[in-house]
Amino acid sequence: RKEVEQDPGPFNVPEGATVAFNCTYSNSASQSFFWYRQDCRKEPKLLMSVYSSGNEDGRFTAQLNRASQYISLLIRDSKLSDSATYLCVVTRAGEYGNKLVFGAGTILRVKS
Amino acid sequence: GAVVSQHPSWVICKSGTSVKIECRSLDFQATTMFWYRQFPKQSLMLMATSNEGSKATYEQGVEKDKFLINHASLTLSTLTVTSAHPEDSSFYICSARGDWAYEQYFGPGTRLTVT
Repeated sequence: RKEVEQDPGPFNVPEGATVAFNCTYSNSASQSFFWYRQDCRKEPKLLMSVYSSGNEDGRFTAQLNRASQYISLLIRDSKLSDSATYLCVVTRAGEYGNKLVFGAGTILRVKS
Repeated sequence: GAVVSQHPSWVICKSGTSVKIECRSLDFQATTMFWYRQFPKQSLMLMATSNEGSKATYEQGVEKDKFLINHASLTLSTLTVTSAHPEDSSFYICSARGDWAYEQYFGPGTRLTVT
């Protein structure tokens, strides 16, 4: 079983739609959680951290359920520029501090 | 701030040759650097972690004699793919982290094609 599981999609949505991505992780010792965005043939960029209390950044809302080991990302009012692959990321302890463990990503395509 | 560069951005080499990829933190001192590999439509997989002045720690299944990592200074880490084969063709991405920061800052990646 993969340490971080995501629905690969693709999610094809019209502009203005609301879309939700889910992610589950297997390591209950994971301490920190993130959503990254990766554009085609580019490096991943941090979108937002995820907290149990939930957090919002503009049109993006992330939620963490530690009991279910489940992470979500909600995007409201989708824009064409939101088209990308969204990576769910958790941390794992390492010799030199925490290491990032990436999911395979969920592809979002926003169409006009 | 917190800019990481990689060089080259892409490279094509022949099977059996070695390729060196550089990762530099341009405006901060990177105590720890990470090397990842990403095959098409797959997730980033951590290959190894290095601390400045120490030997790199490799993830399970990554051959340390094939992927040589040198983190000789606080601003530079290099990954050398020795005796490259077509199956080593991939997107190699580094990230760097300073003592002061929790976040990893990613380089733009190097696309390696072995023919």
